[in-house]
Amino acid sequence: KNEVEQSPQNLTAQEGEFITINCSYSVGISALHWLQQHPGGGIVSLFMLSSGKKKHGRLIATINIQEKHSSLHITASHPRDSAVYICAVPPPGGGSQGNLIFGKGTKLSVKP
Amino acid sequence: NAGVTQTPKFQVLKTGQSMTLQCAQDMNHNSMYWYRQDPGMGLRLIYYSASEGTTDKGEVPNGYNVSRLNKREFSLRLESAAPSQTSVYFCASSEGGGMGSSYNEQFFGPGTRLTVL
Repeated sequence: KNEVEQSPQNLTAQEGEFITINCSYSVGISALHWLQQHPGGGIVSLFMLSSGKKKHGRLIATINIQEKHSSLHITASHPRDSAVYICAVPPPGGGSQGNLIFGKGTKLSVKP
Repeated sequence: NAGVTQTPKFQVLKTGQSMTLQCAQDMNHNSMYWYRQDPGMGLRLIYYSASEGTTDKGEVPNGYNVSRLNKREFSLRLESAAPSQTSVYFCASSEGGGMGSSYNEQFFGPGTRLTVL
């Protein structure tokens, strides 16, 4: 089983701060996903990345395949960024059916 | 496009009752998934279906059955509900199938909050 560890579990920030959420996994992978779960419960996919870095608006995701580690950064954080951020990776063997293993999530709260 | 829809949104059952959670997607996706989400735990895969007519067990299949009725619909059945099945259930879909499937984005339904008394 691919173990997925996220840190921190909870994070409180002031509006405007730069935020970093970390994800480590135990087994080499081909792709890593970052998802966002809104306070109302809905889950949306933010990024899928297999190498390097991706940027979407104020969100930046990086991955280091050799170190089995990924980070999600939020620049100029805003209260609307408050959510749970979830990292997910394929199981050992690659997840040929598309199934993923999910971390427990990082709950972010951004105060105005 | 509605994306992934789930019914019902909320349900309360008594121990031993049965029910079916419905899920449908309109994105012509091959793969569909059922997850449960419990406090302090990550999403856990119950069952998945890589294509119409096929289903496979995930991490926590006990107490559940599934049916991939057609390409659009994937239902989850609790035959005899237990309090341990109190959870939030999410259905998801992706293009799926074959090598490289782990690259595919998953699209989630809004969830069903189930309480078993």
